[in-house]
Amino acid sequence: DAGITQSPRHKVTETGTPVTLRCHQTENHRYMYWYRQDPGHGLRLIHYSYGVKDTDKGEVSDGYSVSRSKTEDFLLTLESATSSQTSVYFCAISEHRDRARKLFFGSGTQLSVL
Amino acid sequence: KNEVEQSPQNLTAQEGEFITINCSYSVGISALHWLQQHPGGGIVSLFMLSSGKKKHGRLIATINIQEKHSSLHITASHPRDSAVYICAVPNYGGSQGNLIFGKGTKLSVKP
Repeated sequence: DAGITQSPRHKVTETGTPVTLRCHQTENHRYMYWYRQDPGHGLRLIHYSYGVKDTDKGEVSDGYSVSRSKTEDFLLTLESATSSQTSVYFCAISEHRDRARKLFFGSGTQLSVL
Repeated sequence: KNEVEQSPQNLTAQEGEFITINCSYSVGISALHWLQQHPGGGIVSLFMLSSGKKKHGRLIATINIQEKHSSLHITASHPRDSAVYICAVPNYGGSQGNLIFGKGTKLSVKP
């Protein structure tokens, strides 16, 4: 299994509070992604990174920011959490940029915003 | 933007049955992914294919590029195959490297 660790695995927070989710990899892969998974939707891309300090927005980036100061860590921050951000968040990594590349996923973070 | 449709949404089978899950997409692609999401939530990449057929154990994935259609087959199904199966295709014109994911097919195999 690819070495990807997400933390925390579960979090309950209140509306308006900041939240940071962490993704840590030991594979030295260049590309890292944050997805959210909601009932009735496929996985949707929030942000991704193509290198240290290089990030870009995905299709559902509003209300989220990311940072990547080291190859192995990709942080997702909800500056002021809202109930619509209650979701399961997955981090993924890949070695190549090409869309025909294999993705490896973390175990997910269940976030509940009350 | 590519659109992805999976069918069926839910599938219940008896142990030993042959299972087929379908995936259709709207825009020509370079490769298609099949993923498995376990009941505990973890997601594993099963196949990535751009033409023809790939086989891994009891799982077989096929793709017809002209018809924009892929199938995932499970032979001699087992309760441990119970999971959500997801197909994904490139989202050309979207974020670099982005994939569009289907909503998944929930498979339940009864002993």
